[in-house]
Amino acid sequence: DGGITQSPKYLFRKEGQNVTLSCEQNLNHDAMYWYRQDPGQGLRLIYYSQIVNDFQKGDIAEGYSVSREKKESFPLTVTSAQKNPTAFYLCASSMVGQFSQPQHFGDGTRLSIL
Amino acid sequence: AQKITQTQPGMFVQEKEAVTLDCTYDTSDPSYGLFWYKQPSSGEMIFLIYQGSYDQQNATEGRYSLNFQKARKSANLVISASQLGDSAMYFCAMREDSYNFNKFYFGSGTKLNVKP
Repeated sequence: DGGITQSPKYLFRKEGQNVTLSCEQNLNHDAMYWYRQDPGQGLRLIYYSQIVNDFQKGDIAEGYSVSREKKESFPLTVTSAQKNPTAFYLCASSMVGQFSQPQHFGDGTRLSIL
Repeated sequence: AQKITQTQPGMFVQEKEAVTLDCTYDTSDPSYGLFWYKQPSSGEMIFLIYQGSYDQQNATEGRYSLNFQKARKSANLVISASQLGDSAMYFCAMREDSYNFNKFYFGSGTKLNVKP
């Protein structure tokens, strides 16, 4: 079955440490996205990518970095510069150029500070 | 300006009754899509229903229907015969066809509680 796989499900970060969240999709989608969600809040866009080797900052990119070396993969690194990283992170993908197509989401990664 | 506005942070509904979740949107693009997602407490985002700007009829998917009023720029989700499993956060989202056409805009969500 096609879908989006995020790993790990739970992640703990120590002070000053960078951590990387994995996102893999086999839907053959060109566009991929990372969102942050704080408890009881909506989704905030961190980064998105419309094609391999290209990505754009979203609304809250500071303290995060991404890469898009393969169509299927869009890993997110939470750097030590992100002072409040505790949140739920969702990865999504979609077809490009078709406004009728929805985003498909992974099951998310919960990141906490140790 | 907010692209998507959901004005109901939380709502209660009695089991088996219908409930309407409000969503208004802001765009000058004539071509756009509107989406509703459900997020249970486990966190995954489940796509529920889609309405296109050119669709003449309101979208329906099982117990979900969309009350689309284009002139008022509203796209309210109607859930009929509520079930306990409908308790979740619900998000309205929009995707435009022109500038930044691969970006999705989400509302702040409505938390629905279904009472037995």
